[in-house]
Amino acid sequence: GAVVSQHPSRVICKSGTSVKIECRSLDFQATTMFWYRQFPKKSLMLMATSNEGSKATYEQGVEKDKFLINHASLTLSTLTVTSAHPEDSSFYICSATSSDGQPQHFGDGTRLSIL
Amino acid sequence: QKEVEQDPGPLSVPEGAIVSLNCTYSNSAFQYFMWYRQYSRKGPELLMYTYSSGNKEDGRFTAQVDKSSKYISLFIRDSQPSDSATYLCAMSEGDAGKSTFGDGTTLTVKP
Repeated sequence: GAVVSQHPSRVICKSGTSVKIECRSLDFQATTMFWYRQFPKKSLMLMATSNEGSKATYEQGVEKDKFLINHASLTLSTLTVTSAHPEDSSFYICSATSSDGQPQHFGDGTRLSIL
Repeated sequence: QKEVEQDPGPLSVPEGAIVSLNCTYSNSAFQYFMWYRQYSRKGPELLMYTYSSGNKEDGRFTAQVDKSSKYISLFIRDSQPSDSATYLCAMSEGDAGKSTFGDGTTLTVKP
């Protein structure tokens, strides 16, 4: 149980392109989803927390207009990197948790490379 | 000072060794304690989940929590090369879903 699916797993695109990453909870209702960024051999960096039906809460230093998060249903959250540039290249990981307070379950991440 | 401190390693052990991974924390309100394993280029996978102090065993893995010392450990017995990964501790207050993560310890088990 508690499976989180993240898609796509790998994206390579040109500078200026917007990229959408999907995060789905397959067998539970995800009332809260988290988006992280991770640089090579570094720790998880929380970008934002989203609750279903509400606006996301962004961590300090994360640009809201750059990283658009939508959590429209209890099973789907999306992260859109708008007008991506090479410095946005990174490993993005989502996680989800249900309302019963169980630990976060993570997707397998999306490796984003902006040329 | 970070809320959760974890030695980044790297830690290298021979196959079959007992591995001890540790985290310390400063927030006495933490009640839920988790260990995640992350393979390269993958998302973290939940390994162990404990509430409050005590031990929990699952196969070759044992999680220990000492709230009085604000110290948690993960022991891996009979370590295997497939255990080579980064191990992240995580902890939270009233809701295990909203966690503070350690920076992770990289473990290599050599055949």
